[in-house]
Amino acid sequence: GNSVTQMEGPVTLSEEAFLTINCTYTATGYPSLFWYVQYPGEGLQLLLKATKADDKGSNKGFEATYRKETTSFHLEKGSVQVSDSAVYFCALRSNTGNQFYFGTGTSLTVIP
Amino acid sequence: DAGVIQSPRHEVTEMGQEVTLRCKPISGHDYLFWYRQTMMRGLELLIYFNNNVPIDDSGMPEDRFSAKMPNASFSTLKIQPSEPRDSAVYFCASSFASGTRIDQPQHFGDGTRLSIL
Repeated sequence: GNSVTQMEGPVTLSEEAFLTINCTYTATGYPSLFWYVQYPGEGLQLLLKATKADDKGSNKGFEATYRKETTSFHLEKGSVQVSDSAVYFCALRSNTGNQFYFGTGTSLTVIP
Repeated sequence: DAGVIQSPRHEVTEMGQEVTLRCKPISGHDYLFWYRQTMMRGLELLIYFNNNVPIDDSGMPEDRFSAKMPNASFSTLKIQPSEPRDSAVYFCASSFASGTRIDQPQHFGDGTRLSIL
């Protein structure tokens, strides 16, 4: 079946620290992978995506690489800002269906 | 481009009342999804539609919940009668069919924050 496992939170970092949020997946077929971000009081917004092995998605300084050999899609940012405080969701879409499968979300707080 | 539009943004009502949540998906999207988000249970898929037809409603918690999609541009989620444990944020999302568009994401509305007293 399809599923996404995400690093447990919450995560608290100081401004300018390096961020990694781990995400691994199981999937039938060849999935596309996504990271979403949810700011307080808002809906989930697409942050970045990757559609095939070794693709790197990037946006706003965040990056994630689609690793088929380790079934992973870890989110990274070299220097976090206070404004990055949010909940981050890893998700997949299998090419064998139309559902999206979400991880449980990881809360990030960045302190000045 | 207009995104997914949900209304109302906030709803406070008393236990036993009927609640109707509304959603307008992005024009041209084939799929519409309803989710519920709580601190305890996270993001849960309730039901989804393809071309206005319900495909999987196995996430609907009980018969008090019902969803309809009378046309491609409108969907409702109803709770009757409502209970305090239904308090949550309800999200609507839409997407293209996977087909040749597997790389296309789901687009979410801003949600309806529902409080049942």
